[in-house]
Amino acid sequence: GAGVSQSPRYKVAKRGQDVALRCDPISGHVSLFWYQQALGQGPEFLTYFQNEAQLDKSGLPSDRFFAERPEGSVSTLKIQRTQQEDSAVYLCASSNPTGNSPLHFGNGTRLTVT
Amino acid sequence: DAKTTQPTSMDCAEGRAANLPCNHSTISGNEYVYWYRQIHSQGPQYIIHGLKNNETNEMASLIITEDRKSSTLILPHATLRDTAVYYCIVRSGFNDYKLSFGAGTTVTVRA
Repeated sequence: GAGVSQSPRYKVAKRGQDVALRCDPISGHVSLFWYQQALGQGPEFLTYFQNEAQLDKSGLPSDRFFAERPEGSVSTLKIQRTQQEDSAVYLCASSNPTGNSPLHFGNGTRLTVT
Repeated sequence: DAKTTQPTSMDCAEGRAANLPCNHSTISGNEYVYWYRQIHSQGPQYIIHGLKNNETNEMASLIITEDRKSSTLILPHATLRDTAVYYCIVRSGFNDYKLSFGAGTTVTVRA
């Protein structure tokens, strides 16, 4: 079946530009997560949604980062006024919150800020 | 604070079993052990998870010690495509919905 889909696969932005990264979770998955992965590091948690509700945004590094999931399906991670330190791979994952369900990840969006 | 400790890297021979260790000495009773791997330029891929019993699926086996302070992921017949970073993660069974990744073990399978 279809997995988690992310677009674009690659994004180059000039410093100061705004970017929007899209995530299509697995159909029917209630939970959605965003992670940031710097080069050579493990993924770091950014934010968590259950349906359309953003229940945890403790990992967002600054108020330039904003995520939404208005209809409880597709999610968008927006970064305003991008900085060079925002360069990373942004990963989206989805799961069912029943029991101890594993997270299923997309292949990420590689953001390069020049 | 890291909940798990893994070796930084290890090499395996193609066709042989690969045994990946993980220490989680502070694990609590309701926490599961999860394993993921990440192949270059891909997202993390779920492998297996367990609470206290040994688990096996089509990808791997998970052996958890009786005191639950350590575990071993076993890839029964490693192939070159198993070269990846492997993450051992402890996750609460109830309210720790997210996964907290460490640095993982870089596994290189050699022909």
